[in-house]
Amino acid sequence: DAGVTQSPTHLIKTRGQQVTLRCSPKSGHDTVSWYQQALGQGPQFIFQYYEEEERQRGNFPDRFSGHQFPNYSSELNVNALLLGDSALYLCASSFLGQNSPLHFGNGTRLTVT
Amino acid sequence: QQQVKQSPQSLIVQKGGISIINCAYENTAFDYFPWYQQFPGKGPALLIAIRPDVSEKKEGRFTISFNKSAKQFSLHIMDSQPGDSATYFCAALRTSGSARQLTFGSGTQLTVLP
Repeated sequence: DAGVTQSPTHLIKTRGQQVTLRCSPKSGHDTVSWYQQALGQGPQFIFQYYEEEERQRGNFPDRFSGHQFPNYSSELNVNALLLGDSALYLCASSFLGQNSPLHFGNGTRLTVT
Repeated sequence: QQQVKQSPQSLIVQKGGISIINCAYENTAFDYFPWYQQFPGKGPALLIAIRPDVSEKKEGRFTISFNKSAKQFSLHIMDSQPGDSATYFCAALRTSGSARQLTFGSGTQLTVLP
């Protein structure tokens, strides 16, 4: 049973460019969340998707957007990249039921130069 | 009110010793408290979790103690092993309808000496 898978594993972009990161949730999971983890810090919540709609959003600018597809997979898009966007981007999935733990992928390491 | 405070920032323990990591939260709307273990280059892996109506939960060498009135919870790792050396994050989940938001502590880097 595959866990949460993310692609690509590493990515290098130039300031001002746009990037798309992809996530496939753990089998059977129906909600997907995205987190940004800067070096040496805890993950910060970006947003959460359920039934193809954004349900909750953290304190991130509109440059960060996402999408969830009918098969529950998800994309994270970041426009107008800044140097400060360099981080590990983590996708997490879970069942929507209460107390359902979030399972994380290994992330995409984004470097903005 | 979304903050979760974690201490210590780093911890060094001898093999066989007990590792203790503490967390405190402010928002009483949190309703689930997981702990994650993260190795370099990997995503956080769920270790153990507790509901706020339970005061203690034990799974193998890992125990969560939860004090709802003090809004504090802690992770105890018994018989710590070098393979436990990793970064540990406490977290708090807030659910509201179909919305889910996990707030993490700042992490504790644990080193277990052989």
